[in-house]
Amino acid sequence: RKEVEQDPGPFNVPEGATVAFNCTYSNSASQSFFWYRQDCRKEPKLLMSVYSSGNEDGRFTAQLNRASQYISLLIRDSKLSDSATYLCVVFYNNNDMRFGAGTRLTVKP
Amino acid sequence: EPEVTQTPSHQVTQMGQEVILRCVPISNHLYFYWYRQILGQKVEFLVSFYNNEISEKSEIFDDQFSVERPDGSNFTLKIRSTKLEDSAMYFCASSPPGTLGNTIYFGEGSWLTVV
Repeated sequence: RKEVEQDPGPFNVPEGATVAFNCTYSNSASQSFFWYRQDCRKEPKLLMSVYSSGNEDGRFTAQLNRASQYISLLIRDSKLSDSATYLCVVFYNNNDMRFGAGTRLTVKP
Repeated sequence: EPEVTQTPSHQVTQMGQEVILRCVPISNHLYFYWYRQILGQKVEFLVSFYNNEISEKSEIFDDQFSVERPDGSNFTLKIRSTKLEDSAMYFCASSPPGTLGNTIYFGEGSWLTVV
């Protein structure tokens, strides 16, 4: 069974904090991994792809551990505008992408 | 910046009626998708479409659902006889040619309310 599991949160953090989200997936044949961001009642938007070597984009760092089937997202120096739901996304064969339920983040002043 | 466009943005329909949701994917994209999100729940995969045929579908995508690419630009999702539980946001998405696992780009969604 294809499953993507995330801690739903909510995470409530002050501005400037560092926050980390985790995600696990059940299908070892998964091919690609992404973090998407979704604002309330809006469409998901790509935040970043996740590579085995780890990758960083400004304040955001993503890590993949294939052996443990685990993906993480680290946000440093949180901004108010980072408040959103963060979706872990796993890509399977035949263009089937599966979403985690999302982790809700609220950054407070 | 090119984008996926969807119409209508919101539709209210009576239970049992047929609904067609329309999407115009990004023009050079070759893979097309429909997802849905029931209010307060996760984004759920419905179907993927490539080379004029369904390449993958989920258990949600039963005989009540169908997809079509009638004219080379539009990509439609039809729900034959809507049920209350079909009320959700329906997202169309597309991704460019190339290796599997390319980024997919979502439209803004069509909010369907079945009454």
